[in-house]
Amino acid sequence: EPEVTQTPSHQVTQMGQEVILRCVPISNHLYFYWYRQILGQKVEFLVSFYNNEISEKSEIFDDQFSVERPDGSNFTLKIRSTKLEDSAMYFCASRKSRNSNQPQHFGDGTRLSIL
Amino acid sequence: QKEVEQDPGPLSVPEGAIVSLNCTYSNSAFQYFMWYRQYSRKGPELLMYTYSSGNKEDGRFTAQVDKSSKYISLFIRDSQPSDSATYLCAMSEEDSNYQLIWGAGTKLIIKP
Repeated sequence: EPEVTQTPSHQVTQMGQEVILRCVPISNHLYFYWYRQILGQKVEFLVSFYNNEISEKSEIFDDQFSVERPDGSNFTLKIRSTKLEDSAMYFCASRKSRNSNQPQHFGDGTRLSIL
Repeated sequence: QKEVEQDPGPLSVPEGAIVSLNCTYSNSAFQYFMWYRQYSRKGPELLMYTYSSGNKEDGRFTAQVDKSSKYISLFIRDSQPSDSATYLCAMSEEDSNYQLIWGAGTKLIIKP
């Protein structure tokens, strides 16, 4: 069964450094999402992406964050200058269409640790 | 306010028992309701997906949505040790580009 894949599984980065998290969505999906889950807290929506532009973003998704679909298969989340509070699990999800019977499918996440 | 409440547990039951997991919510605009299962160090795996009110059954799993009470449930029949995981409810509005709002997740333990 097709699945969303995320790399790396664990990323350790010094505070202030840039980090790029990578995702390969399911191939015929058109809508892409990033969520994060800080340890012990709820999953939180970050951003949705469709047709090469951001559709919606949360308050968390400030100017330090950006997303890109550089080559038609990868979907990346960049954090420009990481902070300690960016440490979390980051999940990528994709959805086939806006039809009501099309849910989001998730990858296994990237654990981001900021030192 | 977009809020979803879910008891974090842990909920421990013997193998073979019927499990009931629940979420309440405050936003009457939610139309899509999902249950995801999450094993340790894995991403959320979709179990059940329901639009608006009603029941949906898939094997040992039954999802119920009561929009009048703003209450959703997931029932697991004949529970197995392999069902031990964290169960997350998630929901979204019709016009929010499908942004999911999540419960905290309930940790379920099925004792052999």
